[in-house]
Amino acid sequence: EVQLVESGGGLVNPGRSLRLSCIGSGFSFGDYALGWFRQAPGKGLEWISYIRGRPYGPKPEYAPSMRGRFTISRDDSNSLASLQIDSLTTEDTAMYYCARGNPAIMGYYFDSWGHGTQVTVSS
Amino acid sequence: DIQMTQSPSTLSASLGDTVTITCRASQTIDSWLAWYQQRPGKAPKLLIYKASYLHSGVKSTFSGSGSGTEFTLTVSGLQPDDFGTYFCQQYHNDSPTFGQGTKVEI
Repeated sequence: EVQLVESGGGLVNPGRSLRLSCIGSGFSFGDYALGWFRQAPGKGLEWISYIRGRPYGPKPEYAPSMRGRFTISRDDSNSLASLQIDSLTTEDTAMYYCARGNPAIMGYYFDSWGHGTQVTVSS
Repeated sequence: DIQMTQSPSTLSASLGDTVTITCRASQTIDSWLAWYQQRPGKAPKLLIYKASYLHSGVKSTFSGSGSGTEFTLTVSGLQPDDFGTYFCQQYHNDSPTFGQGTKVEI
């Protein structure tokens, strides 16, 4: 069974950094892209970034509005994908999800999702 | 960015109803469209990819159609676990974007 488990969320002060982790199991981790998404309370889904798997990667892509403060990485030997978020603001308060990406000609759809990790930015 | 617009934003329905949700893209995306279901407090779940292909394990009461810029998701015979919010996502390029969601409620 494919599983993705996020961790690393919590209550943080504005201006601080946070590193979210996503551990995958039940599949050949290195063969798949891994994406990060967020959902603010009562809002829709927002794509943050994804990082490609073999044989395309590990090239990352970022949503235009997310470039600069977000850094994605992966460690296939530990089935781990990470998202570093710098200079947090209250607008970053959201549930953060990781998901497994399936490739198409250019882009990806996401067939398995973790349960999410909550990030709350407040002083 | 390719903009995705869903309609309606909210849909009131009853058990057993058949409902249709529309997703429009700001430019052609061929058939590179996925649909997700999200129940309250839960993670999204993939229902359909490539506009009309049912993801493994998804009920056959879900169906998708369309190509180019206009797509539909149809849910036949609404059951209690079908209520929630549905999102479309385009993956025509390397920058995926979502529709704003359609909430299906009783």
